[in-house]
Amino acid sequence: AQTVTQSQPEMSVQEAETVTLSCTYDTSENNYYLFWYKQPPSRQMILVIRQEAYKQQNATENRFSVNFQKAAKSFSLKISDSQLGDTAMYFCAFMKWVGGGTSYGKLTFGQGTILTVHP
Amino acid sequence: DSGVTQTPKHLITATGQRVTLRCSPRSGDLSVYWYQQSLDQGLQFLIQYYNGEERAKGNILERFSAQQFPDLHSELNLSSLELGDSALYFCASSSQRAGGRRDYGYTFGSGTRLTVV
Repeated sequence: AQTVTQSQPEMSVQEAETVTLSCTYDTSENNYYLFWYKQPPSRQMILVIRQEAYKQQNATENRFSVNFQKAAKSFSLKISDSQLGDTAMYFCAFMKWVGGGTSYGKLTFGQGTILTVHP
Repeated sequence: DSGVTQTPKHLITATGQRVTLRCSPRSGDLSVYWYQQSLDQGLQFLIQYYNGEERAKGNILERFSAQQFPDLHSELNLSSLELGDSALYFCASSSQRAGGRRDYGYTFGSGTRLTVV
């Protein structure tokens, strides 16, 4: 079974600064996806960024980037130029490849990190 | 709007009762997933359906059941409700194959907040 650990229950950052959220996972799988989801006060689950384990290049989406260290089983999220709208709970999630390697399956989530961006 | 529709948004019911939560997946998505988010258990996978058939099962209680209909909408039935079943229940849908031409990712609905009193 896979486990996902987010060791930072809460983080805070000043507007326009950079913050990094940590995530580690444990799996015996070689092929999988890793995700960061954002859950603002509205409770909607919003995909922030996705990383395929076979790709060595770290994924980036505008102000969001990841540091994926497969051997260390680490997957941190860096948010640059933080904005007030980034205030939310952030979840790291793991999905193993199923059905021949390219089908979606269940997500295993970490416990989440509450990020507060201060003006 | 994510394209995944969940109804109702809020539900308040008494212990021992039965409720049905409904989910309409994004157009074209064949897979539907149900998740439970509670304060003590976090976000947990309950069950997955693919094109009408159960594909994977997680930590779903025996009092809970689900199905996916021919039009691909899904229902999660919760019976003999207990106070501890109070949670936010999410539905998500996905395309058949990740990375394919029609891969729009794994999309969540806005959830149904269930309160058992």
